Amino acid sequence: DTAVSQTPKYLVTQMGNDKSIKCEQNLGHDTMYWYKQDSKKFLKIMFSYNNKELIINETVPNRFSPKSPDKAHLNLHINSLELGDSAVYFCASSRTLAGTMKQFFGPGTRLTVL
Amino acid sequence: KNEVEQSPQNLTAQEGEFITINCSYSVGISALHWLQQHPGGGIVSLFMLSSGKKKHGRLIATINIQEKHSSLHITASHPRDSAVYICAAAETSGSRLTFGEGTQLTVNP
Repeated sequence: DTAVSQTPKYLVTQMGNDKSIKCEQNLGHDTMYWYKQDSKKFLKIMFSYNNKELIINETVPNRFSPKSPDKAHLNLHINSLELGDSAVYFCASSRTLAGTMKQFFGPGTRLTVL
Repeated sequence: KNEVEQSPQNLTAQEGEFITINCSYSVGISALHWLQQHPGGGIVSLFMLSSGKKKHGRLIATINIQEKHSSLHITASHPRDSAVYICAAAETSGSRLTFGEGTQLTVNP
């Protein structure tokens, strides 16, 4: 069974469209994250949720809105997509919020905005 | 200047060589994570350490808190070790990870 799963794996869309990426973890973890990896493979935190509560909200455009319907799911909705949003988006989870917890990553969603 | 610096950015080795990747950080941390990103894109957590040394198979990770420096060593390297290795600092203020830029390792047979 996949511990952290993301859908879709690939997403190709036109500028201006709205799209969502879904993430689910079956590890029973309390904390989930969204990371963005740019073309130079540099990873950066976007959001983190703990028990469905938003904890970290980095300097991310308002067009990005995370939603956590329950502890096992953290979805990412992106409005009015721009060329610069093209990247690989990784979801991750950890048992608790502490930085000493190992994080488990999803397979990533490669978003291409044309 | 990034708060987490890795060196080298690229590393090419021959099979069997001993490899060292370095990570320096400037923030206060609760832990230092080493991650591996396979050519297919998946990310796996290798180590999480807050002091001393950890070993898993041919991989060894060390950290010196006073010097704010960590190293990842691979003994008897193999082509299947070819990947991007990323260090990430977990800040003391919470679970936020700040990532280094990664080290692309290529091990040739």
